[in-house]
This record gives sequence, C-alpha cells and structure tokens, in this order.
Amino acid sequence: DAGITQSPRHKVTETGTPVTLRCHQTENHRYMYWYRQDPGHGLRLIHYSYGVKDTDKGEVSDGYSVSRSKTEDFLLTLESATSSQTSVYFCAISETDYEQYFGPGTRLTVT
Amino acid sequence: GENVEQHPSTLSVQEGDSAVIKCTYSDSASNYFPWYKQELGKRPQLIIDIRSNVGEKKDQRIAVTLNKTAKHFSLHITETQPEDSAVYFCASSTGNQFYFGTGTSLTVIP
Repeated sequence: DAGITQSPRHKVTETGTPVTLRCHQTENHRYMYWYRQDPGHGLRLIHYSYGVKDTDKGEVSDGYSVSRSKTEDFLLTLESATSSQTSVYFCAISETDYEQYFGPGTRLTVT
Repeated sequence: GENVEQHPSTLSVQEGDSAVIKCTYSDSASNYFPWYKQELGKRPQLIIDIRSNVGEKKDQRIAVTLNKTAKHFSLHITETQPEDSAVYFCASSTGNQFYFGTGTSLTVIP
C-alpha cells in the first residue's frame, strides 16, 4: 500500500460538533482527495487538492471544508456534523491526475 | 456532471468460470477508466485501468475493454478463484474529478 494514513480511524461524535479528519502521505504526491462511501452510492468525491493551498469542490461538498498547508497533509472538516454525514471517509492520493491510491478509511458516526 | 452506471449489482459464479461487469458513462470528455477491488472492511485497491486512446488492456486474468462510441467499458475476470470475491467499482474521470459506479458484489463459489 502507498504511504497513506488517516486519523482517527474511528470516531463517534454528536450532532452539531465540529470534526476534523486528517490524511497524511509520505509519497510526496501532488494530488489528494477526500471521498465518502455509503451503501448504494459507491464512492463520492467531496473535495480534492492539486497542490498546497489549491483545492476544489467535488460532487458532494456541501457541509465540508478542506485545507492543505503542507504537501503531506490534507484535512477534512465538518463544521457542524449532522447525522447525514455518518459515513466511511477515504482519502486518496495520486502523482498525476490518473492512478489514485486510497488510505485505510475513517468510520465516522454522528449521533 | 458525469453519470456512471454499473451492472450487475451482485454476481455469483462458479470457481473457474468467467465474470463480466459492465459500466456506462455519460460525459464524452471522460478519458480515464479505472477499476477498483474492495474487500470487506478494506480500502479500494486499483486493479486495472484504461485510457481513452486504448480499446483493451489485459493483466493476467483481468482485462478491461472500452467502447468510446457507445460510452461503455467492461471488466473481465477469467478463471475466477475464491479470492476474487469482493466488491468491484468502476470509475470515470476527465482529470481530477472522479465518478464511481455503485459497485458489484462478486461471489466466487468453490
């Protein structure tokens, strides 16, 4: 597996609280992505980054923000978590805008 | 935006038989089509991909075909083995934005 870690791996939080998920890579890849995976929906892109401080929205960006201050870290923030954001979140990296490699995932439960 | 449809949603085959999973896409600008395998509780793993300037690509027991005119691409697994059992996802991309199908749960029966 590519050098990608995600933290935390599991989190339970209450509705209305802020949550930040972290993706860390050791591959020095330019592109980083955040996806959510839900039954019946496959993987859906939330936000992606094509360089330090360069980010753009994906298919399901509402309620999420991201930041990338260093090449190796890409943070996903839920400003005020809702139950609809209960999901498994995957980070992915790629050197070009083609082959993506996924992190181990974070299971988030919002109660 | 792009719409990727994947069929079937579940597929059971006998060990040694072939399995075929099909995907269609809507955006004619899509130029990259990867396939991922995801075992239960694990991360998706890239198993094969194809770019729009190629019609077919093969890697041992796995092959992918692309028909740009019809906007569909398929994954073919030959001589299936129990360890091929997993969920398979197709995806399409125009660069940066990736759109995934909803997955096919493949079961290989020993």
